Amino acid sequence: GENVEQHPSTLSVQEGDSAVIKCTYSDSASNYFPWYKQELGKGPQLIIDIRSNVGEKKDQRIAVTLNKTAKHFSLHITETQPEDSAVYFCAAAGGNDMRFGAGTRLTVKP
Amino acid sequence: DSGVTQTPKHLITATGQRVTLRCSPRSGDLSVYWYQQSLDQGLQFLIQYYNGEERAKGNILERFSAQQFPDLHSELNLSSLELGDSALYFCASSALSGSTDTQYFGPGTRLTVL
Repeated sequence: GENVEQHPSTLSVQEGDSAVIKCTYSDSASNYFPWYKQELGKGPQLIIDIRSNVGEKKDQRIAVTLNKTAKHFSLHITETQPEDSAVYFCAAAGGNDMRFGAGTRLTVKP
Repeated sequence: DSGVTQTPKHLITATGQRVTLRCSPRSGDLSVYWYQQSLDQGLQFLIQYYNGEERAKGNILERFSAQQFPDLHSELNLSSLELGDSALYFCASSALSGSTDTQYFGPGTRLTVL
């Protein structure tokens, strides 16, 4: 089955800096990679996703890159703001199921 | 707002008891997924239903069961509750049944077992 490793587990940045979260997966059949943001007391919210037919996708300050050869994908947040503080989960899907990373707690200091 | 609703928002009960958590998927979605999230833990997949039928099973205990009704809402039943069952329980829905279908999560039910 799929294993998804996510790093780092915690990340602290200054407001305005960039944040990068990385995930690796093991199942070569994986072809869909969503990212979720979970704020305190709320459910995970889809913020961006990428399918394996593209290498990069951008939505305003958020971008995701995918390297299928190396089996890793990353979330990039630019010009971070305090409201970006949350736990971020990556996931990889394809074949039988969707597996989630363990999460990264991002703190953006004002 | 994802369009997925869950009730109740909070639930406090005692060990040995049984509870039922309810989930209504987004309009038009046929699949419902249940996840457990313990304190500072990731999302553990429990079970998936598609159009009323069980589709996939994850790390769901035998004390737990679920079903999806004809109107597509789903219930997760937790019985013989233990302290370790205290967690957030999330429901997600997707349009179809494939693993690559986008899942949209509800706000969760926080279960506390005393």
